[in-house]
Order: sequence, then C-alpha cells, then structure tokens
Amino acid sequence: GAVVSQHPSRVICKSGTSVKIECRSLDFQATTMFWYRQFPKKSLMLMATSNEGSKATYEQGVEKDKFLINHASLTLSTLTVTSAHPEDSSFYICSARGEAGYNSPLHFGNGTRLTVT
Amino acid sequence: DQQVKQNSPSLSVQEGRISILNCDYTNSMFDYFLWYKKYPAEGPTFLISISSIKDKNEDGRFTVFLNKSAKHLSLHIVPSQPGDSAVYFCAASETGGSYIPTFGRGTSLIVHP
Repeated sequence: GAVVSQHPSRVICKSGTSVKIECRSLDFQATTMFWYRQFPKKSLMLMATSNEGSKATYEQGVEKDKFLINHASLTLSTLTVTSAHPEDSSFYICSARGEAGYNSPLHFGNGTRLTVT
Repeated sequence: DQQVKQNSPSLSVQEGRISILNCDYTNSMFDYFLWYKKYPAEGPTFLISISSIKDKNEDGRFTVFLNKSAKHLSLHIVPSQPGDSAVYFCAASETGGSYIPTFGRGTSLIVHP
C-alpha cells in the first residue's frame, strides 16, 4: 500500500529558530499533499494543501508566511515553521492521497512532534 | 463550528465484547465517510470507509453503519481485542467538493484483557 514517510519524528528547537519538516511519498506520486496539525484532545486540523509545482492553499487562520510549504517534486513536500514560538509546539502530520482517485483514503506520515522552548 | 462530531472522548470495553464508536455530522453535502485509527506518536491509518449510497460496509471485525437521515454513523468492532486500543477518528468528505476530509476529535478506545 501507499507509504508516506515524515521526518523528523521529533524536534526540539529554540524560540525564534526555523524548523523544516519533510514529507515523502515513497511508492507513489502525490501531486497533492496535505498538512495537518493536532492539538491535544483536538481533531486533526487541516493547515494547508500542498500542490506540486504551484503555491500551497492555506486554510483560513493559517499564516502562510509562518508556515512555508514547498512541493518541489511529486514525492516531496516540506513544511517550514519560521521563527517558531512556544505556541507553535504541536503534532504536525502530513498526508497524501493514493493514486486511486479523489475519494481514495489519505495516507498519513507518522507525524512530527515539535517542541519550541 | 464542528461539522464532524465525536461526542465520546473515550470508551472502555472488555476484550471479546463489541465496541461501538459513534460519529455525527452536520453538513448534508458529505457523502463519503471514513474511519481512521491512530496509535500514540503515529499518524492515522485508514480503517474502513462507506459511501452515502450504502448503509453498511463490513471488513472483517469492523463494520461501519450509516444513517443518512440522522446524519449519524457508527463503527462496530467485534470481537474487540486489546490491540484495538487506539484513538479512532471519524472523517467525512464531499464528492464534487474539495474531497478533503473533515475530521472529528477522535474517541480513545481502551480494550481491557
């Protein structure tokens, strides 16, 4: 089945620094990837849709200058949290849809636990 | 405004018994529903789905029931096993819309041996 790899799984950074999270589709091409954020005891909140070769589409309330998304190839999307602050600490998860069509289930990476000190 | 609601944050069931996880939705345009299972520190994994043209879909120990008039779906796990202990997310999407699923807050299932 479709495999999505996310790296790193855990990162601790100091306030003011930037952190890059990578999301790769290992055995399929993903023209679209999705970035989610999960707060404790909350649902998965869609942050943005990453489109290969074009600009990402951000959900309302998500700062595009703070959460930079790059989707330079059909198998790689990156999320960079710029000038991180403690309130950015969260669990970030990427996902991609398999090649079976628009209604095929999303395949998720294992997530990245970001802690900003 | 939550469009997908899982009103029970947790559920505890004894091994061998049936687990029933519930999900309600408010958007009548949703026509495709999915359940995902998530272990701690891992991403969700797809479990089972159902299209609005059906009212039941079964896959081994897992069955999803859809009641469109009530905007309600449920996931039945029988018999429950300790390895089923996880957080279960209900998700819904709109075919012809964005196709991007909207997730509920999840229900934490604990299956006791």
